[in-house]
Amino acid sequence: DSGVTQTPKHLITATGQRVTLRCSPRSGDLSVYWYQQSLDQGLQFLIQYYNGEERAKGNILERFSAQQFPDLHSELNLSSLELGDSALYFCASSVGTGSGNTIYFGEGSWLTVV
Amino acid sequence: GQNIDQPTEMTATEGAIVQINCTYQTSGFNGLFWYQQHAGEAPTFLSYNVLDGLEEKGRFSSFLSRSKGYSYLLLKELQMKDSASYLCAVREPYTNAGKSTFGDGTTLTVKP
Repeated sequence: DSGVTQTPKHLITATGQRVTLRCSPRSGDLSVYWYQQSLDQGLQFLIQYYNGEERAKGNILERFSAQQFPDLHSELNLSSLELGDSALYFCASSVGTGSGNTIYFGEGSWLTVV
Repeated sequence: GQNIDQPTEMTATEGAIVQINCTYQTSGFNGLFWYQQHAGEAPTFLSYNVLDGLEEKGRFSSFLSRSKGYSYLLLKELQMKDSASYLCAVREPYTNAGKSTFGDGTTLTVKP
């Protein structure tokens, strides 16, 4: 158990719908990351927050948005869902963004768009 | 940005030693991580290198050469449970938010 909690674990929804994935980082971690992993593909960096502020953006679609709240939990919002959005979405956290700060991953949220 | 290359697949025999290579071209470097990921599960941290040289941790060792943009993960005394994907990740400097970019992973199959 990494200490990073993600909900829901599994989600099935229809095209065009909107979903919200939630992440609670490890206690004491200020930095939160979201990654997408499609079937048989690598981890694609989506977005990073540090202490409530957006710090880095990767290949995140405009239909997707995220935020980190004052209590440091984060949400990833996916809207106008398409079949291709079906993937495993990981949240990860680290203490900070320094070189030695290990990133710990949650168990992921399986999203299936039908 | 970052470009990270790893072999797609490798096969080895139980009890043997295997070396998984990772090369990277980056606009900045602030450390390299190796993660293990079993199918459908979360990546788990294996090792971290920021200085040149070898870091040993039990059956796993990781090596880094910053001048060559090269790292490898060495797995000794392979066990069946080591069958997994191994991800190399490069961390960018703090000035670029310190985000980490992952390679596509090397799928290792350990055979009896």
